[in-house]
Amino acid sequence: NAGVMQNPRHLVRRRGQEARLRCSPMKGHSHVYWYRQLPEEGLKFMVYLQKENIIDESGMPKERFSAEFPKEGPSILRIQQVVRGDSAAYFCASSPSGFRENTEAFFGQGTRLTVV
Amino acid sequence: QKEVEQDPGPLSVPEGAIVSLNCTYSNSAFQYFMWYRQYSRKGPELLMYTYSSGNKEDGRFTAQVDKSSKYISLFIRDSQPSDSATYLCAMSASTGGFKTIFGAGTRLFVKA
Repeated sequence: NAGVMQNPRHLVRRRGQEARLRCSPMKGHSHVYWYRQLPEEGLKFMVYLQKENIIDESGMPKERFSAEFPKEGPSILRIQQVVRGDSAAYFCASSPSGFRENTEAFFGQGTRLTVV
Repeated sequence: QKEVEQDPGPLSVPEGAIVSLNCTYSNSAFQYFMWYRQYSRKGPELLMYTYSSGNKEDGRFTAQVDKSSKYISLFIRDSQPSDSATYLCAMSASTGGFKTIFGAGTRLFVKA
């Protein structure tokens, strides 16, 4: 059973370009969470999705950021018109049920986005 | 004030030492308390979780929660060089709060 797969592992974008980060949850997991980690800071919750639904996006910036988890395929975190401040590690986690039941969420290895 | 405070370290100890890692928090709604270990350039992995106050032991690891003081700890006995990593405390509320709040992490180095 493969773990949570994120790709690409490293992504370099110029300011103003779009960044697309992909996350394939573990088999059997229908809950996906995205976090952002800045250097020397803890992970910051961004968004929680179930298949085809956004459950909680209270951590997402209001502009330029969007997320989806379609019926088929991976979850996508999209950042439009990237700026240098978007440079960070973005982690995806998945769980078989909602985090509120304290079901363990498994993390991927992250995508490190660098905006130049 | 941050919801969760964690000393970033680094903390350097000799092999075999007992390590104490701590976090304080301000939100009394937190019910679930977790410790994650994150190796460099890797994703976090869950080490321990506890519900409400009390202690939990798993091998060389012991997690303690003191809700009255809003203070949680992770103890590592007989520390090994392979324990060198960043340790993140994390916590969440019980009432449908899907957000988990993470501490900034403490970098631990165990010297052989």
